[in-house]
Amino acid sequence: DTAVSQTPKYLVTQMGNDKSIKCEQNLGHDTMYWYKQDSKKFLKIMFSYNNKELIINETVPNRFSPKSPDKAHLNLHINSLELGDSAVYFCASSQEGSSKQYFGPGTRLTVL
Amino acid sequence: LAKTTQPISMDSYEGQEVNITCSHNNIATNDYITWYQQFPSQGPRFIIQGYKTKVTNEVASLFIPADRKSSTLSLPRVSLSDTAVYYCLVGFPGGYNKLIFGAGTRLAVHP
Repeated sequence: DTAVSQTPKYLVTQMGNDKSIKCEQNLGHDTMYWYKQDSKKFLKIMFSYNNKELIINETVPNRFSPKSPDKAHLNLHINSLELGDSAVYFCASSQEGSSKQYFGPGTRLTVL
Repeated sequence: LAKTTQPISMDSYEGQEVNITCSHNNIATNDYITWYQQFPSQGPRFIIQGYKTKVTNEVASLFIPADRKSSTLSLPRVSLSDTAVYYCLVGFPGGYNKLIFGAGTRLAVHP
């Protein structure tokens, strides 16, 4: 059984489009995260939600809007995509207060 | 959050023990040391976490000296499948934990 799943795995789109990436975890965790890994392989946190509430919001453009319909899901919506948004986006989850995070398989976003 | 420094890359051969050292000179009293492993095209995977002395699990051992300004991840008898990037992270595990990943150490295991 997949613990943290993301869809789609690959996403190719044109500049200016709006797209969403979905994430689901079946671990019963309270906290979920979105990370971005760029072409240089640096992994940076973007957002963190705890029980559907936004906890961490790093300095990311407001074109990125996370939404958590329930504590098992954290979706990432991106408006007006730009070339620099091309990266691999990872969703993760953890129990509240734990640094042991479980990562999803990633979504490779390519903006043309 | 304490900054960490690791070697950019390491090479080893199958069956050898690999030790990856991480420096974290400004580690805080409450900080723990956590290691993650990332294979190509996959998300990072938790390996081990420790506070002081030695921690061992089925995958690796973590050695932390008394001053805690460094730590060493030890992988016994590596195989080709251990080829991956290994990240050392330092931080307080409580609260809403924000993991800060550095560049990591790219380990290549050769036949």
